[in-house]
Amino acid sequence: GAGVSQSPRYKVAKRGQDVALRCDPISGHVSLFWYQQALGQGPEFLTYFQNEAQLDKSGLPSDRFFAERPEGSVSTLKIQRTQQEDSAVYLCASSLGQGATNTGELFFGEGSRLTVL
Amino acid sequence: AQTVTQSQPEMSVQEAETVTLSCTYDTSESNYYLFWYKQPPSRQMILVIRQEAYKQQNATENRFSVNFQKAAKSFSLKISDSQLGDTAMYFCAFMRSRGSNYKLTFGKGTLLTVNP
Repeated sequence: GAGVSQSPRYKVAKRGQDVALRCDPISGHVSLFWYQQALGQGPEFLTYFQNEAQLDKSGLPSDRFFAERPEGSVSTLKIQRTQQEDSAVYLCASSLGQGATNTGELFFGEGSRLTVL
Repeated sequence: AQTVTQSQPEMSVQEAETVTLSCTYDTSESNYYLFWYKQPPSRQMILVIRQEAYKQQNATENRFSVNFQKAAKSFSLKISDSQLGDTAMYFCAFMRSRGSNYKLTFGKGTLLTVNP
């Protein structure tokens, strides 16, 4: 597709359920990012992939959060045993460059809004 | 660690007028990138303008320009001839130019409303 695609757009989960959020980046983009945006806040970094390698997962809030990008294209963010504090919009972004050549222009998806009851 | 502060949670402007959004940041780095991103309601966040810290000249993109004051660690966005389509959340963001030079640190955002 022409842009970054995320699904589902909206997800309601009961506390304790597992959820999986999908990101389909722009074709050919090397770098893929996940950000978490709580209500009224700016996005916060979760994790970064360069192709299939997860180079930085320092922003993942707990070991209940897991991300993968097995073939260097589509990525999945999985949240196990969801808690109310996990409620947020999860943004995926991709960029063409990698490392020092990444000048910071990220192409964002519309986000997946997760509500945990 | 870097921090980005946007002190104006909300602003409004009349169509065709000029508005300035404020941003300050804190870093010990000497070289870095600064960005303004726009997030329209229920739409993707898009890059508005980018400034490289080693460049003294302020960046401009059509109706959008920045006032970059490196010593004061200030990076404001000026929108001229405001249009209804400029209504959005605006986020200021910082990125290192080395090391973890892929991670954006965002401010909390400013909600700009352009009134007809």
